[in-house]
Amino acid sequence: GQQVMQIPQYQHVQEGEDFTTYCNSSTTLSNIQWYKQRPGGHPVFLIQLVKSGEVKKQKRLTFQFGEAKKNSSLHITATQTTDVGTYFCGSGNTGKLIFGQGTTLQVKP
Amino acid sequence: GAGVSQSPSNKVTEKGKDVELRCDPISGHTALYWYRQSLGQGLEFLIYFQGNSAPDKSGLPSDRFSAERTGGSVSTLTIQRTQQEDSAVYLCASSLGQYGTQYFGPGTRLTVL
Repeated sequence: GQQVMQIPQYQHVQEGEDFTTYCNSSTTLSNIQWYKQRPGGHPVFLIQLVKSGEVKKQKRLTFQFGEAKKNSSLHITATQTTDVGTYFCGSGNTGKLIFGQGTTLQVKP
Repeated sequence: GAGVSQSPSNKVTEKGKDVELRCDPISGHTALYWYRQSLGQGLEFLIYFQGNSAPDKSGLPSDRFSAERTGGSVSTLTIQRTQQEDSAVYLCASSLGQYGTQYFGPGTRLTVL
C-alpha cells in the first residue's frame, strides 16, 4: 500500500534558525496535506498541495510539492518558539489520509 | 460552530474489558475518520466513513476493533477484550467531503492496565 516517509524524525534548532521537513513517497501522490500538532494537542490543518511543482506560502512557512508529485517539503524561515510541535504530512487517493511519522521540532529560545 | 468532539477525554480500563469511544463530527460533514496515535508516534489510520458508502476498514488492526456511524453523524469505535498494546490516543476527524480538510477532535486517551 501507499507509504509516506517523513524525515527527520526530530529537529532541534536555535530560535531564528530555519527548519525543513521532508515527505517522500515511492509512488505518485494525488495530493499532500500538512498538519501541525502542538504538544498535548490535536493535529491542525495547515495546507493542501495538489499540482505538480506547486509552492504555497503562509507567512514564514513555505510548502512545496515536487515536480514528480512524489515528495513535498515544509520550510520555516526564522523559527520562533511558537513553531514547536510535530509536523505531519499526509496523502490519500480515496479520501483517507496516510500520514508520515511526523517531524518534531524543538526551538531553543 | 462547534468543532469535532470526542468522549470520554480519558478512559482507563482493565485488560480484557470492552470500551466504546464516541465521536461527534462537525455538522454537515459527510466524511469521518478514526486514527490512533501511540505515545510519541505518528497517526495510524483505522477506519473511514464517507456518506452512505461502505466504510473503509482497511486500517483496523484486529477483529477486536469495530466502528459504526449512525445516521451519518455520530460514530462509535468499539474495542473488545482490550489489550495493553491498545493504549493510545484515539483521534477522530471529519471533513466536508471525500477530499476535504480534516478537522480533528481532541482525542480520547485510552489506558489499558
